[in-house]
Amino acid sequence: AQSVSQHNHHVILSEAASLELGCNYSYGGTVNLFWYVQYPGQHLQLLLKYFSGDPLVKGIKGFEAEFIKSKFSFNLRKPSVQWSDTAEYFCAVIPDNYGQNFVFGPGTRLSVLP
Amino acid sequence: ETGVTQTPRHLVMGMTNKKSLKCEQHLGHNAMYWYKQSAKKPLELMFVYNFKEQTENNSVPSRFSPECPNSSHLFLHLHTLQPEDSALYLCASSQEEGEKLFFGSGTQLSVL
Repeated sequence: AQSVSQHNHHVILSEAASLELGCNYSYGGTVNLFWYVQYPGQHLQLLLKYFSGDPLVKGIKGFEAEFIKSKFSFNLRKPSVQWSDTAEYFCAVIPDNYGQNFVFGPGTRLSVLP
Repeated sequence: ETGVTQTPRHLVMGMTNKKSLKCEQHLGHNAMYWYKQSAKKPLELMFVYNFKEQTENNSVPSRFSPECPNSSHLFLHLHTLQPEDSALYLCASSQEEGEKLFFGSGTQLSVL
């Protein structure tokens, strides 16, 4: 069965530290990949997405993610986090043929200490 | 297994049909959500229920009618849909509105 895993359940960083959140998926075909963020008390928002092309994707608020097909990974990165980045981060996978189920990862909670 | 179960997994319906999607959560959460996922588009929030009361309707056409009989169950009633309504419909729940979401695996809907 298709699955999406996120390596860390809870990450705690100090401001200005660098961030990398892992995401791996098990589906072997062509995929569309997303990172969503949920700030405390708010609804889900799209951070960035990958459909095709350059595997390094730039998103909002200084986030980027790199698609590495050989590793089935789509890790999220930010060079310097801020307290306002404290949120829940979800990786999601949709197969390109769209004939199978869409899957969200379990989420990684990021806490940035001021 | 996230604790959020959606049925059916796949649904094909004609434009004149009436069908319902069901979502059930076993997590004791108070908030439930319907999202729409169209191919190659970000998630769209459709409806939010908190303690069985609808708190958000994101300009969704009336051919989609949600029902939340209790805090564990959420339905999406479908009537006279259009082909462009074909999408993946995701249910989610959270302990309270605005807290971490737990997603079901979705219902893949095709409208012919």
